[in-house]
Amino acid sequence: ETGVTQSPTHLIKTRGQQVTLRCSSQSGHNTVSWYQQALGQGPQFIFQYYREEENGRGNFPPRFSGLQFPNYSSELNVNALELDDSALYLCASSMHRGRGTEAFFGQGTRLTVV
Amino acid sequence: QQQVKQSPQSLIVQKGGIPIINCAYENTAFDYFPWYQQFPGKGPALLIAIRPDVSEKKEGRFTISFNKSAKQFSLHIMDSQPGDSATYFCAASKAGSQGNLIFGKGTKLSVKP
Repeated sequence: ETGVTQSPTHLIKTRGQQVTLRCSSQSGHNTVSWYQQALGQGPQFIFQYYREEENGRGNFPPRFSGLQFPNYSSELNVNALELDDSALYLCASSMHRGRGTEAFFGQGTRLTVV
Repeated sequence: QQQVKQSPQSLIVQKGGIPIINCAYENTAFDYFPWYQQFPGKGPALLIAIRPDVSEKKEGRFTISFNKSAKQFSLHIMDSQPGDSATYFCAASKAGSQGNLIFGKGTKLSVKP
């Protein structure tokens, strides 16, 4: 167990709706990154939060947004859901070092958009 | 453009065999190379990681071999067991990128009893 917890574990939404996913980081970690993993693919980086600010973003549209709270937990919000947003959403926590370092993933939230 | 290329896509070995999974990269700015193991319905679990200043790293039955000049790295699993059956991902991150990981497409390993 990594100590990174995500909620909910599964979610079904309708196209056009909005969704909020939650992540609690591992104790002692101050950085949270979010990834999208489509079926049969490797995870793709969405963005990272450090000190409550976005600290790097992948190739995802603005309708993907996030928050980090003072206790380092984080939310991922997706507006105007599309069918292609169906995926496993993963949260990873780490210590910020300005370079690659150990990142520990939660079990993910499986989002299905119908 | 795929920045980290992983092969093979799938691999079947007998119990006790040594599966080898390979990854190649182009960007010389990458400076951190982890391997993750993922079981169905679970998040990826960090197995082992290496930086380019060493050519090999061992942790238990898992070994990373790193060839900086060829821009390739590989994962070896010694004495493989059926419980090692999972999907394995290599990844890389760039210095100054805040550590965001770029993943390969994964290798589905099956270890037969």
